[in-house]
Amino acid sequence: AAGVIQSPRHLIKEKRETATLKCYPIPRHDTVYWYQQGPGQDPQFLISFYEKMQSDKGSIPDRFSAQQFSDYHSELNMSSLELGDSALYFCASSLETGINSPLHFGNGTRLTVT
Amino acid sequence: GENVEQHPSTLSVQEGDSAVIKCTYSDSASNYFPWYKQELGKRPQLIIDIRSNVGEKKDQRIAVTLNKTAKHFSLHITETQPEDSAVYFCAASNTGTASKLTFGTGTRLQVTL
Repeated sequence: AAGVIQSPRHLIKEKRETATLKCYPIPRHDTVYWYQQGPGQDPQFLISFYEKMQSDKGSIPDRFSAQQFSDYHSELNMSSLELGDSALYFCASSLETGINSPLHFGNGTRLTVT
Repeated sequence: GENVEQHPSTLSVQEGDSAVIKCTYSDSASNYFPWYKQELGKRPQLIIDIRSNVGEKKDQRIAVTLNKTAKHFSLHITETQPEDSAVYFCAASNTGTASKLTFGTGTRLQVTL
């Protein structure tokens, strides 16, 4: 079965640079979520999109922005990177309008800021 | 906002024994409670979930119980196997779906031979 696809798997950036993470949800899923997971931490909700519109916002820094495109893929844009942004970034998708639709996570992008 | 506490942070059991992980939540409106298993460096994977209209759910060796009055839910793993070793996260949402999950801090389960 198709899963959530994230790219790249690994990304190394320097401080103050920008990064773009991509996410391709499971086909026909209408909602995309972004989570940030620091080393040894639980996933923290950043932002979500339902049918290409931002549906909810969590602890996303102002330096970050995200959008969902017409083909339902989503991109997380991160600017003025800081050392503390080093983390695993997970994208997840679900069928919000579906009954009992769980959250499916991608394999994550490991961002290292040096 | 929602706050989810999870205990213990680490748990070591012998193969074949049972493991219990407990979570409490603060938002009485929370109505969806999934559990995720995360192996080192990998994505969280849903292992079981429960909704507030159900008190208990079982799937083979895994069961989850929910006490809405106490705002408390637990994961039970019976007949543990070495491949059960991982970090387990509980989570809660007040939307009835997987949207805007608040995760617990995780339990590192080690199953020893």
